[in-house]
Amino acid sequence: DADVTQTPRNRITKTGKRIMLECSQTKGHDRMYWYRQDPGLGLRLIYYSFDVKDINKGEISDGYSVSRQAQAKFSLSLESAIPNQTALYFCATSDGTGVIQPQHFGDGTRLSIL
Amino acid sequence: GQNIDQPTEMTATEGAIVQINCTYQTSGFNGLFWYQQHAGEAPTFLSYNVLDGLEEKGRFSSFLSRSKGYSYLLLKELQMKDSASYLCAAPLNTGGFKTIFGAGTRLFVKA
Repeated sequence: DADVTQTPRNRITKTGKRIMLECSQTKGHDRMYWYRQDPGLGLRLIYYSFDVKDINKGEISDGYSVSRQAQAKFSLSLESAIPNQTALYFCATSDGTGVIQPQHFGDGTRLSIL
Repeated sequence: GQNIDQPTEMTATEGAIVQINCTYQTSGFNGLFWYQQHAGEAPTFLSYNVLDGLEEKGRFSSFLSRSKGYSYLLLKELQMKDSASYLCAAPLNTGGFKTIFGAGTRLFVKA
């Protein structure tokens, strides 16, 4: 089983709809992240969380919200989806200990907004 | 500003050696990471450098020069399965909870 699981893997929806992307992890990591990836651009950080109920904005948080109700779960919501939010979304985790910590990514959610 | 630059695409031949370069500009230095990402899949961690020099890990090695803001990933004995994007990434702070990623270099390995 994957250590970082994202659901759904693919989603097509219409402009204006509310969408929730789920992420769960079995790595026991405290830190969780949501990124989006667009062609020709690097991964861009949307939100991150250090612990339950801790929420921090990344570089592109407008139009998104998140919830961290449990250590293992971090969900991303688009309250009213718009076409330019069409992208590949990744959830990631990292261990909160140590100075240098790589991130561990889920398999991604491909989201299309029509 | 803070940014990472790497070539968009490279092509190499099976069995050969390829070097993927990365230049970075960050306000501080907290290590330099390389990730591999196959098409449609998750990025996976390959290596990191904190000190100048070469870190070797099997067929993959990564080099860092902090004074030049430069790193490269060296892939030896290329295999077809090495066809993927390679992402250069720099944590902006200790602990790496804010990391900037390059757009990735797409490597095509041909027979």
